[in-house]
Amino acid sequence: GEDVEQSLFLSVREGDSSVINCTYTDSSSTYLYWYKQEPGAGLQLLTYIFSNMDMKQDQRLTVLLNKKDKHLSLRIADTQTGDSAIYFCAETPNSGNTPLVFGKGTRLSVIA
Amino acid sequence: DAGVTQSPTHLIKTRGQQVTLRCSPKSGHDTVSWYQQALGQGPQFIFQYYEEEERQRGNFPDRFSGHQFPNYSSELNVNALLLGDSALYLCASSSPGTGGEDEQYFGPGTRLTVT
Repeated sequence: GEDVEQSLFLSVREGDSSVINCTYTDSSSTYLYWYKQEPGAGLQLLTYIFSNMDMKQDQRLTVLLNKKDKHLSLRIADTQTGDSAIYFCAETPNSGNTPLVFGKGTRLSVIA
Repeated sequence: DAGVTQSPTHLIKTRGQQVTLRCSPKSGHDTVSWYQQALGQGPQFIFQYYEEEERQRGNFPDRFSGHQFPNYSSELNVNALLLGDSALYLCASSSPGTGGEDEQYFGPGTRLTVT
């Protein structure tokens, strides 16, 4: 079945770059997403990438996709204390109306 | 423009009871999906409603049921509550589209505690 794996914890210093990694097993994954969840809150979509893309940049966020290895990463440049949260990788074969399959999330701690 | 709203925010129930959670989708969205997020886990898909019918369902027992109303709002019902049903229940809305930007927008969730 479908599976999405992420490392559970990451700690970085304020101002450094953070890289959060994700691997997935479903070769039919078409859309891959990164969501952010702050304590006690729902999920906020940060960015997404189509499977026919290698990279997508959006301000401080860079997403890299290696479709051959089924590996996705999220780089946050100049990490701030407000970036402390849990980051979820999710995949789906189609957009919008197809169930998302999530990883367990990576807890990012930013040290001032 | 209000995003996805859910009620109540928190709920405490006893084993064996029944619970109803509510969701109003983002304006312009007609599809509602429900997810269960246990502590320390990622969200797991429960089911999805479109045009007042259950369109897709995840691996959840029949104790979990739902409904969608003509105004696209939705309810999630859980019968015969178990301790393991304690979780954050997330509602997401979306609408048919052609690109990944038609992503699912999530509400803040309802925290259900079963004692």
